[in-house]
Amino acid sequence: NAGVTQTPKFRVLKTGQSMTLLCAQDMNHEYMYWYRQDPGMGLRLIHYSVGEGTTAKGEVPDGYNVSRLKKQNFLLGLESAAPSQTSVYFCASRGFDYSLLDTQYFGPGTRLTVL
Amino acid sequence: KNEVEQSPQNLTAQEGEFITINCSYSVGISALHWLQQHPGGGIVSLFMLSSGKKKHGRLIATINIQEKHSSLHITASHPRDSAVYICAVRSGTSGSRLTFGEGTQLTVNP
Repeated sequence: NAGVTQTPKFRVLKTGQSMTLLCAQDMNHEYMYWYRQDPGMGLRLIHYSVGEGTTAKGEVPDGYNVSRLKKQNFLLGLESAAPSQTSVYFCASRGFDYSLLDTQYFGPGTRLTVL
Repeated sequence: KNEVEQSPQNLTAQEGEFITINCSYSVGISALHWLQQHPGGGIVSLFMLSSGKKKHGRLIATINIQEKHSSLHITASHPRDSAVYICAVRSGTSGSRLTFGEGTQLTVNP
């Protein structure tokens, strides 16, 4: 199993450009998440999905859109990139567990710089 | 004030020392996680706790629900333990979402 993979690993954009980050998991997990990590701050949730075809806003959703057309993939889109979106982006997934004690598995991260 | 506070922010130790990292939270929780972020950036889950204590190798995690506090201990620390340690909580109302602390940067010198 590859676990959680992210594409690309690095990207440099100019202000106003668009791009899509791809997250894929092969663990048949229901839940998937997109986070951003900035210096001096904890991981912050951008958007998440509790199943195929569903998405929901997290803590910092502005400027981002997501789609979950297939259970194994969760896409994060930036329609018009801004320098404030320079960050490291992490995807994570988790299986469904009524006890809510299940582990989140993280991807390796995507380092995005917006000039 | 953040919902999840970690202390210290930075910690430097000598190899072999006993290390404690603390996490305090301000909301009712259903679970608390400790994660490790390697220097290369990868994040792995170390522990999930809802009560009591868990041990894995040289790592021990404890939680006191009444005091809203958790600690991560590392015994006989080693340079390979150098990483950022992150506390995260799942509150009773957040469903599947986690709230993260800022992390503690641990450096263990040989």
